[in-house]
Amino acid sequence: GESVGLHLPTLSVQEGDNSIINCAYSNSASDYFIWYKQESGKGPQFIIDIRSNMDKRQGQRVTVLLNKTVKHLSLQIAATQPGDSAVYFCAENIRSASKIIFGSGTRLSIRP
Amino acid sequence: GAVVSQHPSWVICKSGTSVKIECRSLDFQATTMFWYRQFPKQSLMLMATSNEGSKATYEQGVEKDKFLINHASLTLSTLTVTSAHPEDSSFYICSASKVDRVGRDEQFFGPGTRLTVL
Repeated sequence: GESVGLHLPTLSVQEGDNSIINCAYSNSASDYFIWYKQESGKGPQFIIDIRSNMDKRQGQRVTVLLNKTVKHLSLQIAATQPGDSAVYFCAENIRSASKIIFGSGTRLSIRP
Repeated sequence: GAVVSQHPSWVICKSGTSVKIECRSLDFQATTMFWYRQFPKQSLMLMATSNEGSKATYEQGVEKDKFLINHASLTLSTLTVTSAHPEDSSFYICSASKVDRVGRDEQFFGPGTRLTVL
């Protein structure tokens, strides 16, 4: 069936370096894509989203890139900090179905 | 604004009992609420979509008679796990959606409820 998945299940990054988390999706009908951060024992926290008609969107320390040709999504975190340690999920919003489908998640750990 | 709460935050129950989890949108009226289940080290799996005053729409493979959803108002939805068994132990997360200024549905997530069935 349709799904949103991730290339890397875990990512270890040196503090201060940039992090890149990747995601592949298969549903071409998504209206927009979302990145969430989930800390242990908590609900998902919205980070940034991007409409399906865009290629790039920037936020504070984060950038999301969308490549519709290869159905690939990435989240870049600049100057990674210890507080960035969490599991990151990409998700797609299918407006016609009024629901969000989550990918499998990547755990980001920060080395001091 | 856009805060979603869940109660309880954690619950332990005996096998065979029923457990009710509440989801509330505290400062907005939610057009729709969603229930997700998350097993350890896995992603969130959508269980059902709930609209106020109507029957919930369940995802494929989710038993509607086991996971009863009641959406009594625009700020409250409840999920009841009936006759719970150890395999129902999981992290249950709700979300509530509202339409933003440009007409886009935004979902706001609750903090989750950890259910442990003994």
